[in-house]
Amino acid sequence: DAGVIQSPRHEVTEMGQEVTLRCKPISGHNSLFWYRQTMMRGLELLIYFNNNVPIDDSGMPEDRFSAKMPNASFSTLKIQPSEPRDSAVYFCASMNRVGYVETQYFGPGTRLLVL
Amino acid sequence: RKEVEQDPGPFNVPEGATVAFNCTYSNSASQSFFWYRQDCRKEPKLLMSVYSSGNEDGRFTAQLNRASQYISLLIRDSKLSDSATYLCVVKISGTYKYIFGTGTRLKVLA
Repeated sequence: DAGVIQSPRHEVTEMGQEVTLRCKPISGHNSLFWYRQTMMRGLELLIYFNNNVPIDDSGMPEDRFSAKMPNASFSTLKIQPSEPRDSAVYFCASMNRVGYVETQYFGPGTRLLVL
Repeated sequence: RKEVEQDPGPFNVPEGATVAFNCTYSNSASQSFFWYRQDCRKEPKLLMSVYSSGNEDGRFTAQLNRASQYISLLIRDSKLSDSATYLCVVKISGTYKYIFGTGTRLKVLA
């Protein structure tokens, strides 16, 4: 299995531009998470989906952020318009359950720099 | 107060040493506990889950103290390859919310 796939791996954009981050979870995993990581705040949960349905988006910072999961194999996180304070590493993770054991598998992340 | 707190370190230890990290959590509804490892500029990876009775995986031992609301990770006979950031993670009961600590950096020195 290729693991969780994210694209792009790096993104540099100017303030005000739209940014779309993409994620392909591991096949068969029915939970998907988007996280943001910065030096100051660490890893923060933005939103999670279960069976393609957004369950909790309370971590989404503001209306400029939106996430979708149109099917079990694809999710997007969009920032419109982007701002310099959005600069961070954005991780997608998918999760499986074996009995009571839950394991999250992270993608390699997208490093976003907003100038 | 942060929901999950860790000493950021760095902990600089010689090869072969034993090192321990603690992590405290504030939400008493915390249900599940984990340690993740993150290498520089890489994604976090699950190191081990933490069970109420404590658990061991090779050189790594994890302990949970619900009364005091902390978990610990002990690494014995540390290797150069153990150098990484160790993230404490707490899952809140009845939710899918996983709260990550900001991590403790470990450097194992030759």
